[in-house]
Amino acid sequence: EPEVTQTPSHQVTQMGQEVILRCVPISNHLYFYWYRQILGQKVEFLVSFYNNEISEKSEIFDDQFSVERPDGSNFTLKIRSTKLEDSAMYFCASTRDGSTDTQYFGPGTRLTVL
Amino acid sequence: DAKTTQPNSMESNEEEPVHLPCNHSTISGTDYIHWYRQLPSQGPEYVIHGLTSNVNNRMASLAIAEDRKSSTLILHRATLRDAAVYYCILRYDGSSNTGKLIFGQGTTLQVKP
Repeated sequence: EPEVTQTPSHQVTQMGQEVILRCVPISNHLYFYWYRQILGQKVEFLVSFYNNEISEKSEIFDDQFSVERPDGSNFTLKIRSTKLEDSAMYFCASTRDGSTDTQYFGPGTRLTVL
Repeated sequence: DAKTTQPNSMESNEEEPVHLPCNHSTISGTDYIHWYRQLPSQGPEYVIHGLTSNVNNRMASLAIAEDRKSSTLILHRATLRDAAVYYCILRYDGSSNTGKLIFGQGTTLQVKP
């Protein structure tokens, strides 16, 4: 069964450093998402991406964040200058159609900012 | 986005049925009722969804009230692997919907052997 994959599984970085989290969505999917989950808290929407552009972003997704689909298979989330409060699990998800179609989530990347 | 209300936690015994309730009194006609769950240390996964009629799949059943203001996710025989946080999420079917999921706190289901 096709699945969403994410790398790395765990990333440790120093405050102020740039990080890139990588995701490979399911191959025939067209809509892509990033979510984050701070330890002990609920899953929060960050951004949705369709047709090579951001379709919606949350208040969390400020200028420090960016997303890219560089080569038709990878979907990346970049944090330019990490802060302590960026420490969280980051989940990538994809879906074939937008709106109400099933979203398939990856296993997540645990980001630890020291 | 329409709001849902779920109990914070529930307990069940293994191999017994579990009924997880969700209230969504402000649901609109184009809102689908989706259920996702998150097993420990994993990403969320889809369980089931419906609009008006009750639905069954290999994982669970979804019972939707006639007025659609509430629904119940039914796990017919809970296993230890079903211990997870269960999220009831409303999603409207419209061209302006980017498909994002808005997660609440969900219901933490504990399954006892």
